[in-house]
Amino acid sequence: EVQLVESGGGLVQPGGSLRLSCAASGFTFSRYWMSWVRQAPGKGLEWVANIKQDGSEKYYVDSVKGRFTISRDNAKNSLYLQMNSLRAEDTAVYFCASLKGQDYWGQGTLVTVSS
Amino acid sequence: DIQMTQSPSTLSASVGDRVTITCRASQSISSWLAWYQQKPGKAPKLLIYKASSLESGVPSRFSGSGSGTEFTLTISSLQPDDFATYYCQQYNTYYWTFGQGTKVEIK
Repeated sequence: EVQLVESGGGLVQPGGSLRLSCAASGFTFSRYWMSWVRQAPGKGLEWVANIKQDGSEKYYVDSVKGRFTISRDNAKNSLYLQMNSLRAEDTAVYFCASLKGQDYWGQGTLVTVSS
Repeated sequence: DIQMTQSPSTLSASVGDRVTITCRASQSISSWLAWYQQKPGKAPKLLIYKASSLESGVPSRFSGSGSGTEFTLTISSLQPDDFATYYCQQYNTYYWTFGQGTKVEIK
């Protein structure tokens, strides 16, 4: 059974940092592109970032460029999102997902940016 | 960046109705379009990929069509389980974009 389990969400003050993690199991993690997608409370889906199988290519939505970094550790079957200089508008549920060639999503982890 | 515009934003329909949702891209995306269904508190679920290919396990009442900049998702006979929010998503490049969503409500 495929599982993507996010962790690391929580309450952080504006300007602060958080690191999200996603533990993957049930598929060959190293063979797939991975993504982060977020959803602000009561709002629609927003793609955040993509990373290639070997980590050599990374792509970001304009609103997080220079502040967020996507990375992966294929030996640990794990995906990460380092989020710096957080803003109130970054408040959302963050989903880890494998959407290129398959359709797997985590349950999401809530990040709240507030003073 | 490619913008995706869905219409309508909300749709009220009855069980058995034929429902059509439209998605427009700000530039041509060939057939690199997916449709997702999302229910409250849940992760999205893929329905259609490459504009018209039905994902395995998805009921045949769902269909997709279009290419270039105009796409549609059709539910041929709306079922109680179909009341949800639907999103289109372009993946023409590695910079993806979702539409703003269409909520299908019970009439």
